[in-house]
Order: sequence, then C-alpha cells, then structure tokens
Amino acid sequence: DIVMIQSPDSLAVSLGERATIDCKSSQSVFYSSNNKTYLAWYQQKPGQPPKLLIYWASTRDSGVPDRFSGSGSGTAFTLTISSLQAEDVAVYYCQQYYSTLWTFGQGTKVEIK
Amino acid sequence: EVRLVESGGTLVQPGGSLRLSCTASGFIFSSYSMYWVRQAPGKGLEWVSFVSRISDTIYYADSVKGRFTISRDNAKKSLYLQMDSLRAEDTAVYYCARGEGSYWSKYWGQGTLVTVSS
Repeated sequence: DIVMIQSPDSLAVSLGERATIDCKSSQSVFYSSNNKTYLAWYQQKPGQPPKLLIYWASTRDSGVPDRFSGSGSGTAFTLTISSLQAEDVAVYYCQQYYSTLWTFGQGTKVEIK
Repeated sequence: EVRLVESGGTLVQPGGSLRLSCTASGFIFSSYSMYWVRQAPGKGLEWVSFVSRISDTIYYADSVKGRFTISRDNAKKSLYLQMDSLRAEDTAVYYCARGEGSYWSKYWGQGTLVTVSS
C-alpha cells in the first residue's frame, strides 16, 4: 500500500496569514502515460463528511475559494491556504488515488492562533 | 442534487454482524464506482472497500478482508456493506462515497455510526 504522511499534525495560524500543509507519499503517484498526479486534498469540519478541495494535485474543485491551492509532484505535495479565514478551521487530509486502494494522510488540524 | 444516505449503524457485540446500506439519489447510480470509508472516533479517514459500476471489480482493505462484503443493487440505487465477525476496532463512522472514476470523491454521505462493544 502507498503510505501518505502529512506534516505537521497540527498548526495554528493567525487570521489572514498563510497556512502550509505538506504531504509525502511512499512512492510516486504520477502517471507518466497521462502526465497526471493522482493526489487529492479534503477538508473536514467536526461532525461533517470530508469535502473535496483539490484533485490532480492542483485542480481546485468547483466552488472552492482560490485561497486554497495545491502543488507538488512525484512524492511531495503541499496544500496552501494563502490567507486563513475563520471558516477554514478544520482537519485537512491528502489522499492518493494512484492505487484504487485509497490511502489518506493522518490529517493536519488547522486552528486560529 | 446528489445525495447519499447511509443507514444501519448501531451498537453490536464483538463477533456480531451488521449490514450497512447507502441509498443514492440525484445521479445515475449505475454509472459510478462506489466506496466505503470509515473514521474511528477522533481518528483519521480509512478506506474500507471499493466496488466498480457493475460489481466486476471489488477491493477490500486488509483490515476487513474476509470479514466484510461490499455489494450494490443498481436497480435499487443502493450500496451495501455486510460486516461480520465485528471487532472493537471496527467502531467508526462509516461513510459511503461516490467515486469519480476510481479517483477522488466529491460526494459523501453524512455517515452512520457503528459501535462494537459488549
């Protein structure tokens, strides 16, 4: 199985400041045959199911604010919230779908400083 | 509007069985692969099982293989998870999710809580 490791486990950021979450995969999730990176990011608030933010490592889902961006390639990825808002307090997960046997990172909790 | 509604979660004793259901609406159910994902209390997301559109491909996480069975009824727009030989570590909220291909999932149900305890 592909292991996904996120860092940090939690971070506290002031309102309006940048939040950065890293995700590393145990093997590349890039398919050279179609030039696509099989990685998604989700946001989960308490008592709610996950919400899709990003797929193909950097494509924002419809309706997701543009302060959320994804980057990276191969085995190292980053989710950036450019200007943290109060409603962004949540746990964030990366997920690989290179394998149909999905695996998720352990989650990163984002709080307001 | 796409909707996924899980049901069937309850308190069950270790070694017991349970069948979860997920009823879909607002999309052509037979056109999508489906997933079960679970989340133990206070923990992260764990993929449990996958079923393709016509059930010709099925996968399970090692943690549930041999104990859980995924199935679907496209005519009833429903996804199921038969859970046997339940253990305390199976305690979790179980979500059904619609696959975009076999890739990410944009649509998730609200989840159903399974508690395995004596």
